[in-house]
Amino acid sequence: DAGITQSPRHKVTETGTPVTLRCHQTENHRYMYWYRQDPGHGLRLIHYSYGVKDTDKGEVSDGYSVSRSKTEDFLLTLESATSSQTSVYFCAISGGPSYEQYFGPGTRLTVT
Amino acid sequence: SQQGEEDPQALSIQEGENATMNCSYKTSINNLQWYRQNSGRGLVHLILIRSNEREKHSGRLRVTLDTSKKSSSLLITASRAADTASYFCATWKNRDDKIIFGKGTRLHILP
Repeated sequence: DAGITQSPRHKVTETGTPVTLRCHQTENHRYMYWYRQDPGHGLRLIHYSYGVKDTDKGEVSDGYSVSRSKTEDFLLTLESATSSQTSVYFCAISGGPSYEQYFGPGTRLTVT
Repeated sequence: SQQGEEDPQALSIQEGENATMNCSYKTSINNLQWYRQNSGRGLVHLILIRSNEREKHSGRLRVTLDTSKKSSSLLITASRAADTASYFCATWKNRDDKIIFGKGTRLHILP
């Protein structure tokens, strides 16, 4: 299994609070991605990174920000969580944009 | 914006039968990938097929790609209970920084 972990694995938070999810890899892959998965919507890209300090938006980036200060860590922040952000969040890593992606175990976030 | 769309959305077959699921996409691509997701887990990469390839095999998996029809199929032969999962196709086009996933096919293998 690719060395990719996510923390926390489960989180319940209240509307309006900030939340940060962490993705950590030990594979030294250049690309890192944050997705959310919701019933009926499949997997949707939130933000991605193509190198340290290099990030870009995906299709559902509103309400989310990211940071990547080291190759191994990619942080996803919900500045002010809303109930619509209740979801399962997956991080993925890849050696290149066309290559296969390796996924973390996911974080189940509930916003009450 | 979903690029790939899997068909059917759900499929139930008896153990030992073959399972076929399809993926259609809208624009030209350079490669197409299939992933499996077991309940509550992250996706696992199964196979990648390039636009200049027509067929690829990996164990009990057979993937075909028809670029003229903008479609791909994933065949799982001699299905097992452990094949129960959701299967996703994902497409990549040249110069893009990301792959685009479809919504998946839920496969249920009946004992």
